[in-house]
Amino acid sequence: QVQLQESGPGLVTPSETLTLTCTVSGDSLSPYYWNWLRQSPGKGLEWLGFMFYTGSTKYNPSFSSRVTISMDTSKNQISLKMGSMTGADTAVYFCARSVTGTTNVAFNSWSPGTLVTVSS
Amino acid sequence: DIQMTQSPSSMSASVGDRVTITCRASHDISGWLAWYQQKPGKAPKLLIYAASSSKSGVPSRFSGRGSGTQYTLTINNLQPEDFATYYCQQGNTFPMTFGQGTRLEVK
Repeated sequence: QVQLQESGPGLVTPSETLTLTCTVSGDSLSPYYWNWLRQSPGKGLEWLGFMFYTGSTKYNPSFSSRVTISMDTSKNQISLKMGSMTGADTAVYFCARSVTGTTNVAFNSWSPGTLVTVSS
Repeated sequence: DIQMTQSPSSMSASVGDRVTITCRASHDISGWLAWYQQKPGKAPKLLIYAASSSKSGVPSRFSGRGSGTQYTLTINNLQPEDFATYYCQQGNTFPMTFGQGTRLEVK
């Protein structure tokens, strides 16, 4: 049974860069897609982007200028970096695995979620 | 982006009822529709993907159907643990997008 757990700061100062790490246990990163999503009362659930186990990435155009997803296969971790944070980025952030390894059409396994607050 | 519109936004029902939630996409999503259940303070849980394929372990009272732009999630014989918020999500076109949610409450 795969388990995902995020780690990172719960508070970020405006204009700074958020870095979150998702540690995967119970399975390999291969051959899945690994996604980052977030949820806020105002915007609901938003998909930020994914990294395929091969290293290829795709981002939501709404965030692509300030989001980077990377992977460390030796640690079974996926990371999210989001720059130029503002109060509008206050949300619960999730990492999630695709339901299959051939397509990234739904999110099968999710991390518990971590609340990130952007405030000075 | 493809807009996903769920109806109703909220509803109340009783244990044992049958309930249906509708999701409409702004464009044809070719059956790439998923349904999730979320309880307060928890991550969403996948119930259905590809419109009608149930995730392993999901009770058979949950079923999905639809095509094109119109999709439904039906819960038969509602159980106490089913009271939650339900979301649809399209996986056909990037960026993947979600509906606004349907809150299912106890009548």
